Amino acid sequence: GIQVEQSPPDLILQEGANSTLRCNFSDSVNNLQWFHQNPWGQLINLFYIPSGTKQNGRLSATTVATERYSLLYISSSQTTDSGVYFCAGPFSGGYNKLIFGAGTRLAVHP
Amino acid sequence: NAGVMQNPRHLVRRRGQEARLRCSPMKGHSHVYWYRQLPEEGLKFMVYLQKENIIDESGMPKERFSAEFPKEGPSILRIQQVVRGDSAAYFCASSPPASTFTDTQYFGPGTRLTVL
Repeated sequence: GIQVEQSPPDLILQEGANSTLRCNFSDSVNNLQWFHQNPWGQLINLFYIPSGTKQNGRLSATTVATERYSLLYISSSQTTDSGVYFCAGPFSGGYNKLIFGAGTRLAVHP
Repeated sequence: NAGVMQNPRHLVRRRGQEARLRCSPMKGHSHVYWYRQLPEEGLKFMVYLQKENIIDESGMPKERFSAEFPKEGPSILRIQQVVRGDSAAYFCASSPPASTFTDTQYFGPGTRLTVL
């Protein structure tokens, strides 16, 4: 089946540090979404990024569809960035159902 | 514009009881998806519905689970005779009617089911 692998699985940062989260996928992706699940369990849409680069404040994302990976950059991290980051995509033949990676658990310490 | 609504937010059931989870999509959205998140895991697709139709239920357990999205009212995920392994967070997402493979899905806050 389709594999969505995220790395690293866990990440601990000091406030102010930068980080890069990676998402590899095993099949052609029709779009790719990044989500942040905050410590209260709420899922927040970060990016919808089938290809190219997008930026939103301190966050940016790049998807290279031909090489089947996406990167999420967090700059000047804050404690409120803590939580789990998921990437997910619908893949060819899968309607729009999202297949999620296992997530990267981020803890930002003051 | 209200987001995706789910209720209840927390649900406690004893083994053997029924659980009913409700999802109201965003205004103007006619596609609904249900996902389950077991503790410490990512979300897993369960079912994709449009109004009065089940489009893809490949992620639904074969027994005890059912879903509907009637012409009027919210989408319902129903779990009969719950067992402890059903304890999880259940998320609903919606997307607009023109969706094929390109539209963003917007998620509700989830229902956290605990089976005692």
